[in-house]
Amino acid sequence: NAGVTQTPKFRILKIGQSMTLQCAQDMNHNYMYWYRQDPGMGLKLIYYSVGAGITDKGEVPNGYNVSRSTTEDFPLRLELAAPSQTSVYFCASSYGQGHTEAFFGQGTRLTVV
Amino acid sequence: KQEVTQIPAALSVPEGENLVLNCSFTDSAIYNLQWFRQDPGKGLTSLLLIQSSQREQTSGRLNASLDKSSGRSTLYIAASQPGDSATYLCAGGTSYGKLTFGQGTILTVHP
Repeated sequence: NAGVTQTPKFRILKIGQSMTLQCAQDMNHNYMYWYRQDPGMGLKLIYYSVGAGITDKGEVPNGYNVSRSTTEDFPLRLELAAPSQTSVYFCASSYGQGHTEAFFGQGTRLTVV
Repeated sequence: KQEVTQIPAALSVPEGENLVLNCSFTDSAIYNLQWFRQDPGKGLTSLLLIQSSQREQTSGRLNASLDKSSGRSTLYIAASQPGDSATYLCAGGTSYGKLTFGQGTILTVHP
């Protein structure tokens, strides 16, 4: 049982480049999330999805885009990478509305230089 | 806007001590309160989930309490061990399962 899988684990981008962070879950969860964690800080919500075809902004969405074409996958797209996007990115999923446990991936450590 | 604060930011204790980590939140309209453990360079592992209608949850040496009226949660760790060394994060759950995190408490348990 893989849970939540994120790829890649590490990536270095140059300013202005673009990339997609992949996230997949095999628990048939409806809800999926992207968070970022800056050094010494808690996690902040970037985007979330309550089901295939439905996405919405979180607290810090600027500079990112998401899509949810299937229940399993929730990729995060960075366009025109900036140094401020250097962070660790976590994908998470949960079964339903607000009352269930969240499961997290191992994270993607992104550096923009 | 929900804000979550954790105190202390760091804690160093000798092995065997009982300890308490504190978490406070500003909006009592939370669905649940989750405690997570994060090891260096790793993802988050869920430790305990307390629903808004519950007062506490226990798992092994861990006990978490929730007082919505005062906006506080505590994580109690009994008989601490070096393997408990990690960062502990609390998060308030709201609509659509969204989580608002505290900044974490870095725990070091030394032999």
